[in-house]
Amino acid sequence: QVTLKESGPGILQTSQTLNLTCSFSGFSLNTSGMGVGWIRQPSGKGLEWLAHIWWDDVKRHNPALKSRVTISKDTSSSQVFLKIASVGTADSATYYCARIEDGYYGAMDYWGQGTSVTVSS
Amino acid sequence: DIQMTQSPASQSASLGESVTITCLASQTIGTWLAWYQQKPGKSPQLLIYGATSLADGVPSRFSGSGSGTKFSFKISSLQAEDFVSYYCQQLYSSPCTFGGGTKLEIK
Repeated sequence: QVTLKESGPGILQTSQTLNLTCSFSGFSLNTSGMGVGWIRQPSGKGLEWLAHIWWDDVKRHNPALKSRVTISKDTSSSQVFLKIASVGTADSATYYCARIEDGYYGAMDYWGQGTSVTVSS
Repeated sequence: DIQMTQSPASQSASLGESVTITCLASQTIGTWLAWYQQKPGKSPQLLIYGATSLADGVPSRFSGSGSGTKFSFKISSLQAEDFVSYYCQQLYSSPCTFGGGTKLEIK
């Protein structure tokens, strides 16, 4: 059974660094073709793809965030981390992590429940 | 970046009707396209991958078609639980952009 769960600070101040953790089970990032991605959704708005990381440590991030985003993984603990530096109020959103599998054309087939982040000025 | 233009942004329909949602890609993406359903307050759920393949456990009234730059998503015989939001996403190249979403409302 595949599960993912996001965790984060809930509330932080502008200019701080947002640190998010995705803890997963039921699959391994040691397995070829597996990856984890991060997506966010401001309240009442659409989905924004942020970054993803593959089993072979290939990483991609959304250039719209101007290199503020860093993604990393700890395969042994089944966790993926997302860091967003210098946050502003526009970074307030629900943040989701999701599994990606090559066999599904890179689609996100399992999602976490999301964690809400509010950036306060 | 590849832009995904999804239409309509909202649509009203009746139970039992069929609806079609369209996504246009700003450049060719082959069949690297997925469709997701999102219910209020919930995470998105994968419905279609590879533009046409139904994800596990997804009812057959959902279907996808298209390739290149034009894609369609159809729901046949709308059920009450289908009146939620839908998003397309291109997975051809990073950033893996989403369409703006479509909200289905009961007429």
